[in-house]
Amino acid sequence: EVQLVESGGGLVQPGRSLRLSCTASGFTFVNYAMSWHRQAPGKGLEWVGFIRSEAYGETTEYAASVKGRFTISRDDSKAIAYLQMNSLKTEDTAVYYCTRGGSHFTYWGQGTLVTVSS
Amino acid sequence: EIVLTQSPATLSLSPGERATLSCVASQSVSSSYVAWYQQKPGLAPRLLIFDASNRATGIPDRFSGSGSGTDFTLTISRLEPEDFAVYFCQYYGTSPLTFGGGTKVEIK
Repeated sequence: EVQLVESGGGLVQPGRSLRLSCTASGFTFVNYAMSWHRQAPGKGLEWVGFIRSEAYGETTEYAASVKGRFTISRDDSKAIAYLQMNSLKTEDTAVYYCTRGGSHFTYWGQGTLVTVSS
Repeated sequence: EIVLTQSPATLSLSPGERATLSCVASQSVSSSYVAWYQQKPGLAPRLLIFDASNRATGIPDRFSGSGSGTDFTLTISRLEPEDFAVYFCQYYGTSPLTFGGGTKVEIK
């Protein structure tokens, strides 16, 4: 059974950093791209970015709203994808989801809430 | 960037009725790269349709997707009580991937 579990969310002050983790199981992690999305309270979904698999050079793509501040990485030996978030803004407050793949998304984690507030 | 506009924002219907949800892209896109999701409060989205018209595994056949070019539609042939939720379309042909703003299907 495919499982994705996000962790690392919490309350953080504007301008600070936070790293989210997505721990995967039930599939061969090294073979898949991994994506991150977010959903602000009461709002719609926003794609954050993805990291391709090792076979595609582990290259990354990002939404314009986070480019230069957020970095996605992966540790294939641990089956974990990371979202490093720097220079956080109040508008980054959202539930953050990880998903398997880089196109349409069958498998989602349960999400982790990030609240950026002073 | 492909902008997806969903309408209506809210659809008020009764169980057993037909629901027709619209997703319009800002420019013509390949229908191979449009998906639809259902989301219920407090839960992650659930993939319903991919490649515009293919049902995901385990999705009932009352859900169907269609469309091409700029206009895409999700149809729920007969609403069941569990279908009242928010629905999002998504384009994944190029980066950035984008989602529509959502349509809430509520009980009338």
